[in-house]
Amino acid sequence: GQQLNQSPQSMFIQEGEDVSMNCTSSSIFNTWLWYKQEPGEGPVLLIALYKAGELTSNGRLTAQFGITRKDSFLNISASIPSDVGIYFCAGPTGFQKLVFGTGTRLLVSP
Amino acid sequence: DSGVTQTPKHLITATGQRVTLRCSPRSGDLSVYWYQQSLDQGLQFLIHYYNGEERAKGNILERFSAQQFPDLHSELNLSSLELGDSALYFCASSVGYGDSEQYFGPGTRLTVT
Repeated sequence: GQQLNQSPQSMFIQEGEDVSMNCTSSSIFNTWLWYKQEPGEGPVLLIALYKAGELTSNGRLTAQFGITRKDSFLNISASIPSDVGIYFCAGPTGFQKLVFGTGTRLLVSP
Repeated sequence: DSGVTQTPKHLITATGQRVTLRCSPRSGDLSVYWYQQSLDQGLQFLIHYYNGEERAKGNILERFSAQQFPDLHSELNLSSLELGDSALYFCASSVGYGDSEQYFGPGTRLTVT
């Protein structure tokens, strides 16, 4: 099935560092969503973006809707151990079924 | 806690068997979506129900079916199970028909042996 490409595939960082990840698509999206999934759990919605160029924050997380509408970015500032997980971007295609990215696995060393 | 509940948490069954996964959406949500997550395919959309009616299908196998009941809970039925059906199955819900923001349950891990 269709997937969005995320990079990097994984990151291993030190606590306190800032993190940047991105998501790209060959198609235009009108909405971008960012989810976090921890082991054994379902994806948790972090941020939703609805306008090209929009910048939205949720605590230490900031996401941007790319102006081409084919990409989105997620930044995490001052990472902490509980930020560990897999971060997925997602976008709706027809009837609001979500297409998910390949995921970025984040590991944080205390 | 998203407010979406799924049962059972884990399910182990043999090839050829049939299982039913259950989902209760968040209070007030009318849409229920089912997704499958496997290592090789990632998170894939299966099917969407809105207020009891099927609204969209993804790459759902013919051996799989779902329904949404008047109380808005949903069930995903998987039959003639194969080893390749082993995966995590998630249910998500949203308020209305056209909402992008979907809230996921904790999932059911299905293992077919």
